[in-house]
Amino acid sequence: AQTVTQSQPEMSVQEAETVTLSCTYDTSENNYYLFWYKQPPSRQMILVIRQEAYKQQNATENRFSVNFQKAAKSFSLKISDSQLGDTAMYFCAFTRGETSGSRLTFGEGTQLTVNP
Amino acid sequence: DGGITQSPKYLFRKEGQNVTLSCEQNLNHDAMYWYRQDPGQGLRLIYYSQIVNDFQKGDIAEGYSVSREKKESFPLTVTSAQKNPTAFYLCASSIEGNQPQHFGDGTRLSIL
Repeated sequence: AQTVTQSQPEMSVQEAETVTLSCTYDTSENNYYLFWYKQPPSRQMILVIRQEAYKQQNATENRFSVNFQKAAKSFSLKISDSQLGDTAMYFCAFTRGETSGSRLTFGEGTQLTVNP
Repeated sequence: DGGITQSPKYLFRKEGQNVTLSCEQNLNHDAMYWYRQDPGQGLRLIYYSQIVNDFQKGDIAEGYSVSREKKESFPLTVTSAQKNPTAFYLCASSIEGNQPQHFGDGTRLSIL
């Protein structure tokens, strides 16, 4: 079974600064996908970024980027130029590469607060 | 606009009562999912379905039931056997099981 661990329950950052959220996972699979989701106070789940395990290049989406270390099974999220709207719970998630029977496994989340 | 609609937004259950949470999607997605979220915690999978007329138990299926008679719809019933149903419930869908999931806005269920 796959597990996803987020070791930082809470983090805070000043507006305009950079923050990195940690995520580690455990799997015996070689083909899989990793995701970061954001849940603001509205509680809507929003996809932030996605990484395919077979791609060595780290994914980026505007101010969001990941540091994917496959051998270390690490998948951290870097938020640059933090904005007040980035305040949210951030979840790391894993799914196997197969289309059939695949499901997301979520970490426990990191509550990020951006301070003005 | 395509999306996922969950209803109602708030739901109250009396002791011994079954209640059904609605989830409808118009994204033409094959896979649909139900999650439970308790305060300050992550999402736990209740049930998922990858095709019409088929579904699988997730990690916490006891006390819940689902059906998938139509591609667009995946209702969740919280039965009286679920002794602690107070939680936030999220429905999601994806094109395939390994693709990003799109989420509804959730239903908050409380006990009267």
